[in-house]
Amino acid sequence: SAVISQKPSRDICQRGTSLTIQCQVDSQVTMMFWYRQQPGQSLTLIATANQGSEATYESGFVIDKFPISRPNLTFSTLTVSNMSPEDSSIYLCSVGDRGGTEAFFGQGTRLTVV
Amino acid sequence: QKEVEQNSGPLSVPEGAIASLNCTYSDRGSQSFFWYRQYSGKSPELIMSIYSNGDKEDGRFTAQLNKASQYVSLLIRDSQPSDSATYLCAVNFYGNQFYFGTGTSLTVIP
Repeated sequence: SAVISQKPSRDICQRGTSLTIQCQVDSQVTMMFWYRQQPGQSLTLIATANQGSEATYESGFVIDKFPISRPNLTFSTLTVSNMSPEDSSIYLCSVGDRGGTEAFFGQGTRLTVV
Repeated sequence: QKEVEQNSGPLSVPEGAIASLNCTYSDRGSQSFFWYRQYSGKSPELIMSIYSNGDKEDGRFTAQLNKASQYVSLLIRDSQPSDSATYLCAVNFYGNQFYFGTGTSLTVIP
C-alpha cells in the first residue's frame, strides 16, 4: 500500500486567485492522478500526472486552468487557477499500485471559493 | 470520460438485511472492477475488487461481475449501521486510471 500526504487539507480562497495543492507519496510511483469531487457528486478524473512529461487531461479539463507539476516519482502539485465559486470542491490525489489492483487516495483538499 | 453508472439512491435497508448495489459501465475493454466505500468527509476506501466473471466473496461482501452485460454489483449481507456510507463503483482502464460512478448512498436503519 501507499501512504499519501496531501495539503492543504482545506482552504477558503478569494475568486480570481490560485491555489496549489501538494501531494507527497511515501514510495516511487509512475503515475499519479488528480480527481475532483464536487458536493454530492462522485469523483471525476482531472488528469494523469506522469513524471518527466506533460500531464494528460481528461475531457473538460485544460492545462491553463489546472496546471500540474510532477518533478519526481514521489511528488506532484495541482494548481487551481483563476478560481471561481464553481471550483469549490474536494480535490483528491491518487496513486495506483503496479498491478492496477487498488487506487490509494490522499486525505483530500476541501476548497471553498468565495 | 468513460461512463460508469450507478443508481444514486438513497437506498435504505433495515439492520440485518441484504443491501444490493448495482453498476454498469460503457467500455468493453475494462480490465478491473472495484467497490469503494466513502464515509462523509472522508476519502474513498477499497472494500472489494473483482477481475473475472462470477462471484467473489469477502466476509459479508459479495461482488458479482458479468462482462457480457457490462454489469457489476455488490451485495452486503447482514447489513450494519456502520455500513451506512456512499458506495462508489470504479472501473480500471488499461492500467491505473480509475473511473468512478456517481455513487449510491446507503443507510442501514437500526
